[in-house]
Amino acid sequence: KAGVTQTPRYLIKTRGQQVTLSCSPISGHRSVSWYQQTPGQGLQFLFEYFSETQRNKGNFPGRFSGRQFSNSRSEMNVSTLELGDSALYLCASSFRDRAYEQYFGPGTRLTVT
Amino acid sequence: TQLLEQSPQFLSIQEGENLTVYCNSSSVFSSLQWYRQEPGEGPVLLVTVVTGGEVKKLKRLTFQFGDARKDSSLHITAAQTGDTGLYLCAGGWGSQGNLIFGKGTKLSVKP
Repeated sequence: KAGVTQTPRYLIKTRGQQVTLSCSPISGHRSVSWYQQTPGQGLQFLFEYFSETQRNKGNFPGRFSGRQFSNSRSEMNVSTLELGDSALYLCASSFRDRAYEQYFGPGTRLTVT
Repeated sequence: TQLLEQSPQFLSIQEGENLTVYCNSSSVFSSLQWYRQEPGEGPVLLVTVVTGGEVKKLKRLTFQFGDARKDSSLHITAAQTGDTGLYLCAGGWGSQGNLIFGKGTKLSVKP
């Protein structure tokens, strides 16, 4: 069974731009969660989607948004990028009733200059 | 406020030694997960524990969930160089996917 895939793997953007990251979950998984990982803060929860609905949201500004499509694929968007948004963005998928058992993709490394 | 505290932050040992990593919280969790992450990759799920006092073994790795479901430990017996990596604990509530992660223990096992 194919794992979680994330595209692109690496991205360099300039302050003020916006970016969209994509995540394809494991087949059969309908819950998708997003995390930001930085050396200082570790992994921090951004949001979780299930059946195209945001089920949980972390403590991030409104510049961070996401959505989920009917095939469970998910995207996250960051608008008006700031230097502090440089991080590894991880997507994880899971079954609906065991969404705490998460299977992670390799991440997208975003660098904001 | 970090809800999950992991200790130690760094651990450097020789191959063959035993080690224990701790994950502590003042919050009660429904479940607790342990992951291992290697550079440039996403975390890989090692185990999930859901019952207070539960002990699970995965080859040389032993995981324990505290009776009060606030803390957990990971014990590795006879560490190998392949055990090198960042070990992360994560706590969850109910069946949902909004996990809280500790900052991790960076383990280095030298030959």
